[in-house]
Amino acid sequence: KNEVEQSPQNLTAQEGEFITINCSYSVGISALHWLQQHPGGGIVSLFMLSSGKKKHGRLIATINIQEKHSSLHITASHPRDSAVYICAVGRGAQKLVFGQGTRLTINP
Amino acid sequence: DSGVTQTPKHLITATGQRVTLRCSPRSGDLSVYWYQQSLDQGLQFLIQYYNGEERAKGNILERFSAQQFPDLHSELNLSSLELGDSALYFCASSVVGGRSETQYFGPGTRLLVL
Repeated sequence: KNEVEQSPQNLTAQEGEFITINCSYSVGISALHWLQQHPGGGIVSLFMLSSGKKKHGRLIATINIQEKHSSLHITASHPRDSAVYICAVGRGAQKLVFGQGTRLTINP
Repeated sequence: DSGVTQTPKHLITATGQRVTLRCSPRSGDLSVYWYQQSLDQGLQFLIQYYNGEERAKGNILERFSAQQFPDLHSELNLSSLELGDSALYFCASSVVGGRSETQYFGPGTRLLVL
């Protein structure tokens, strides 16, 4: 079993829908990161959180340390949100362990 | 634009060869990380440097080595290349490499071994 599991692996939705991507981990962590990888391959760091909730524009990330679970929500989704979303947990001296990614496609 | 630069963008080479990938961190960042992204293994942490010193090691093969220079740029050397080394190699940087820091990723180097 992977240390970091994401669900779903693939998600297709219509523009405007509320999106939720889940991440569960099985080890102790220092922080959890959500990353976005564009079709061209570039990776952007969206959030880094160790407790509670963070919001940036239409994106919201939450983490429940006790349940070892995090969610990434996208409100009013748009085709430009189409990307692979990757959950990663920080272990030790900032070693990141990555989930397998969720491929999100938003259709107009 | 994250401020992290990587060269080259693309690299095509043959099995058995050696290549060097280069990374310049964001201005002011002291810590550099290297990651490999392959189709079958996903993203994997290779190695981390802080201010010229190796700080953490991940799934880095013995055929691979890295270093961080006094000007803080880093190089990842891949030798005796195999077909399976074909992947995207990302460099990331952060301020001091602490436990809860955001990492800023470069655009990656796409390596194809034929």
